[in-house]
Amino acid sequence: TQLLEQSPQFLSIQEGENLTVYCNSSSVFSSLQWYRQEPGEGPVLLVTVVTGGEVKKLKRLTFQFGDARKDSSLHITAAQPGDTGLYLCAGARDYKLSFGAGTTVTVRA
Amino acid sequence: DAGVIQSPRHEVTEMGQEVTLRCKPISGHDYLFWYRQTMMRGLELLIYFNNNVPIDDSGMPEDRFSAKMPNASFSTLKIQPSEPRDSAVYFCASSLGLARSTDTQYFGPGTRLTVL
Repeated sequence: TQLLEQSPQFLSIQEGENLTVYCNSSSVFSSLQWYRQEPGEGPVLLVTVVTGGEVKKLKRLTFQFGDARKDSSLHITAAQPGDTGLYLCAGARDYKLSFGAGTTVTVRA
Repeated sequence: DAGVIQSPRHEVTEMGQEVTLRCKPISGHDYLFWYRQTMMRGLELLIYFNNNVPIDDSGMPEDRFSAKMPNASFSTLKIQPSEPRDSAVYFCASSLGLARSTDTQYFGPGTRLTVL
């Protein structure tokens, strides 16, 4: 059983559309990270959120940490084909990272 | 910096054979992690080291798995004997610190292991 549940598992959208990926848990985390992984490569860190209720924006990506520090969301505005990849959330607890199963995002041109 | 280096990138072996995966972390990083990624279980932490000392190996699945870090620039993950269910992508990652807000784990490209 995964400590972090991600939804949806797969997401296929047209270029220019918006999308949201969710990461939920019953556990509290000291911080939560989002990674993107492309085929044949290792995950690359996108952002770390630390404070409950925190919102971080990176260009067209918006990350939110839940008030209770148990959940998070990633929103992409006007998605582009370059956003295609596997998005992973990871919660820090007891100085270790636990990863969600990931959301595979495909943006069609 | 070249980033985290892993070798080999692909390994195909037969059940019962010994497999050794290698990792060179980013210079100056004090922490090294070994992860395994499968479709069924996602990305799982196997073991991590701090200053070459194993700190937590609770994720190592069985005694068939062992990991060493003889110096700050090299680590190995060994599976002996290997089994088909060990087939996965194995990642090595390194970081300056440990899962605090400013600590980033840098992942290598992974080793895709197939055990026939």
